[in-house]
Amino acid sequence: KQEVTQIPAALSVPEGENLVLNCSFTDSAIYNLQWFRQDPGKGLTSLLLIQSSQREQTSGRLNASLDKSSGRSTLYIAASQPGDSATYLCAGYGSSNTGKLIFGQGTTLQVKP
Amino acid sequence: GAVVSQHPSWVICKSGTSVKIECRSLDFQATTMFWYRQFPKQSLMLMATSNEGSKATYEQGVEKDKFLINHASLTLSTLTVTSAHPEDSSFYICSASSVAEAFFGQGTRLTVV
Repeated sequence: KQEVTQIPAALSVPEGENLVLNCSFTDSAIYNLQWFRQDPGKGLTSLLLIQSSQREQTSGRLNASLDKSSGRSTLYIAASQPGDSATYLCAGYGSSNTGKLIFGQGTTLQVKP
Repeated sequence: GAVVSQHPSWVICKSGTSVKIECRSLDFQATTMFWYRQFPKQSLMLMATSNEGSKATYEQGVEKDKFLINHASLTLSTLTVTSAHPEDSSFYICSASSVAEAFFGQGTRLTVV
């Protein structure tokens, strides 16, 4: 059974700092992996989707990598801003890509001005 | 990306009543949709897989008679919380898959008083 774990659970950094959020999964047969952002009381905003054959994706100041062999994904945020404060969730798609996602517990990020 | 619309965004109901939540895929057909639940400060947990034209598949521990799912068309799935109780208060969110990516609705905040 696939399990997704995110470390750390919470992170507080000063504005401008580069940071890395970690996500690990138990089943290397994961299909795709997706990173989301969730603001308090709100829904999910998709940040990056790494498809099965890819190793990383980039969008602006965000870069996500996927290493299936080690069961890890990282989300790198460059030059963090207070507006980046939110909870970041990683989620893995099962091997058969049914669209069903297994979510990690999330990392709550606070960027202090 | 594709658009999934969820309605209502929030609802308050009295204990013992039923509440229906709608999830629509606006620009693609979805034979499968998913319903998740999120309790405060926790991650999203899959409740059930909604299959167009057939019965939903429920995750372990989710009461199928309490959480009724209907997927009558390729663009609409509904979740009805029957005889709601305060412990059913939660954030409910649906998703639908297009090709290799899941798209999420805005979520519904249910408060049972």
